[in-house]
Amino acid sequence: KAGVTQTPRYLIKTRGQQVTLSCSPISGHRSVSWYQQTPGQGLQFLFEYFSETQRNKGNFPGRFSGRQFSNSRSEMNVSTLELGDSALYLCASSLGRRGPNPLDTEAFFGQGTRLTVV
Amino acid sequence: AQSVTQLGSHVSVSEGALVLLRCNYSSSVPPYLFWYVQYPNQGLQLLLKYTSAATLVKGINGFEAEFKKSETSFHLTKPSAHMSDAAEYFCAVSSHSMIYNQGGKLIFGQGTELSVKP
Repeated sequence: KAGVTQTPRYLIKTRGQQVTLSCSPISGHRSVSWYQQTPGQGLQFLFEYFSETQRNKGNFPGRFSGRQFSNSRSEMNVSTLELGDSALYLCASSLGRRGPNPLDTEAFFGQGTRLTVV
Repeated sequence: AQSVTQLGSHVSVSEGALVLLRCNYSSSVPPYLFWYVQYPNQGLQLLLKYTSAATLVKGINGFEAEFKKSETSFHLTKPSAHMSDAAEYFCAVSSHSMIYNQGGKLIFGQGTELSVKP
């Protein structure tokens, strides 16, 4: 069974530009969550999509947005890039079903997209 | 609110020695706890999870962790370190209520980098 696929693996962008990152979840998984990882702030939750709807959101500015398609693939967009947006962006997929079984939210991570803003 | 504290950003052990990585959590509700490992330029791989069943949890690669409610701890151990264990380790927390209300959000500690000396 294929794992979580993130593309591209590496990106270099200039300040002020925008960027789109892609995440293909494990087949059958309907939840996709995005995390930003930096040396200073560690792993921070950006948002989660489930069945094409944003279900949860972290504390990031509106420049960070996402969407999910009917096949559960998700994209994350960052507009007006700043130097501080340089990070490893990780996506995680899970079954995402709410309920008493925590295994429904067991997260499987992709390899990440390394974004460098210059 | 929930939080995770990992004591020690860097831990160094000799090959064959005991590995002990410390994690303390704060949660007003019964937590679900996870340990993830990250190799350089890779995503996160789940090592083990505590979901209110047995307090001693065994994971992959010989790692285990014990949930101690009285100490609010979930320390990760391995009896004998191997060179291939060198990586960064993250403790994360979620909860039944969080899963119900917020889907797949995980709260991570700052990470502990494990070095293994020959």
